[in-house]
Amino acid sequence: GDSVTQMEGPVTLSEEAFLTINCTYTATGYPSLFWYVQYPGEGLQLLLKATKADDKGSNKGFEATYRKETTSFHLEKGSVQVSDSAVYFCALSDDTGGFKTIFGAGTRLFVKA
Amino acid sequence: GAVVSQHPSWVICKSGTSVKIECRSLDFQATTMFWYRQFPKQSLMLMATSNEGSKATYEQGVEKDKFLINHASLTLSTLTVTSAHPEDSSFYICSARDTRGLRFTDTQYFGPGTRLTVL
Repeated sequence: GDSVTQMEGPVTLSEEAFLTINCTYTATGYPSLFWYVQYPGEGLQLLLKATKADDKGSNKGFEATYRKETTSFHLEKGSVQVSDSAVYFCALSDDTGGFKTIFGAGTRLFVKA
Repeated sequence: GAVVSQHPSWVICKSGTSVKIECRSLDFQATTMFWYRQFPKQSLMLMATSNEGSKATYEQGVEKDKFLINHASLTLSTLTVTSAHPEDSSFYICSARDTRGLRFTDTQYFGPGTRLTVL
């Protein structure tokens, strides 16, 4: 079945450092790929998405490119801020699976001032 | 943007009682809603897919008689945890898929979650 694998955390960075969180997937169909963010004590928020190969999703300085050849959707940000501290979930939604969303395990990010 | 609400946001109940959690899509119709549970510091695990006007589809290992799902209208799905026990304590999150538009419109909108504590 479909699955998502993302790098284990926690990831601890200093403010203004470069961030990469790796994510790879397996899917039977042609999934859409997502990054969600969960801030402490809050619900899940969609950060960005990409619906087809080579699409780049971007939002709030974060970006990720849908790479079909490597089945990857790595999250990057050039300069993180303390306010980016949160848990980040990579996910996919596959139309052959009834559009249910499969989540990765989540990566906790701590950004130090 | 689309909004999904959940009620209540948190609930504490005694072991053996039943708890109902509501999930509403506030400004769009959702023929399909999903229910997840999230244990502390863990990922979201899909429990079931709720389909308006038909029976829910449960994931493997989820007891359908314990987690009753009713999707009575295009904007409301309910999850009832029956005879709750402490091990059912968790964060329950619903999402709704906006079924308007093109076939490949697959954006889901998540509710803020309901924290259930069973004593």
